[in-house]
Amino acid sequence: ETGVTQTPRHLVMGMTNKKSLKCEQHLGHNAMYWYKQSAKKPLELMFVYSLEERVENNSVPSRFSPECPNSSHLFLHLHTLQPEDSALYLCASSLTSGGFNEQFFGPGTRLTVL
Amino acid sequence: AQKVTQAQTEISVVEKEDVTLDCVYETRDTTYYLFWYKQPPSGELVFLIRRNSFDEQNEISGRYSWNFQKSTSSFNFTITASQVVDSAVYFCALSDLILTGGGNKLTFGTGTQLKVEL
Repeated sequence: ETGVTQTPRHLVMGMTNKKSLKCEQHLGHNAMYWYKQSAKKPLELMFVYSLEERVENNSVPSRFSPECPNSSHLFLHLHTLQPEDSALYLCASSLTSGGFNEQFFGPGTRLTVL
Repeated sequence: AQKVTQAQTEISVVEKEDVTLDCVYETRDTTYYLFWYKQPPSGELVFLIRRNSFDEQNEISGRYSWNFQKSTSSFNFTITASQVVDSAVYFCALSDLILTGGGNKLTFGTGTQLKVEL
């Protein structure tokens, strides 16, 4: 596989469920990102991992818990979510050398919280 | 603080028309980069272009062209002879911050929905 992949593509969960979103990049990048995309709002950066260390947590509620076991994989663990958390969750990756690098995105996971 | 404004929420054109998508940005930094991404219905954001703040040359890639004007803080995107396959949401983004430890922060606009009809 090439590029950035995300699974599942669609997820419906109840407010008491626990689920995880998975992201994998095949680009040899060393930074990975989680974004939230809600209708009519700009993409919101949630978390950034660089060289497997978390370097940014953008005031995200603790019901979202990221994990980056290696530079190719990124997870977003979800628990006790709220209906307003329903959105498209996008994963991205980039190089860190050279500074302001473009980020490459996966297709996203469409999350619906009932 | 950084801000990106895409005032056009939705644009509809007929195939073969030229269309320009506007992007206005705000930043206090002198070093920054600007980006355009395309998001088709499948959801994936597709990278189109990256420009740095010191390079104001316009760029052309096939039917796509970009006009960067620092004097007006704008980075507009023109599609020439639009096609139905160009229908998508287009996002402009600004990066003026490299994170400690690596990675960079992108600030996105709200996007412009482009519909190209036959």
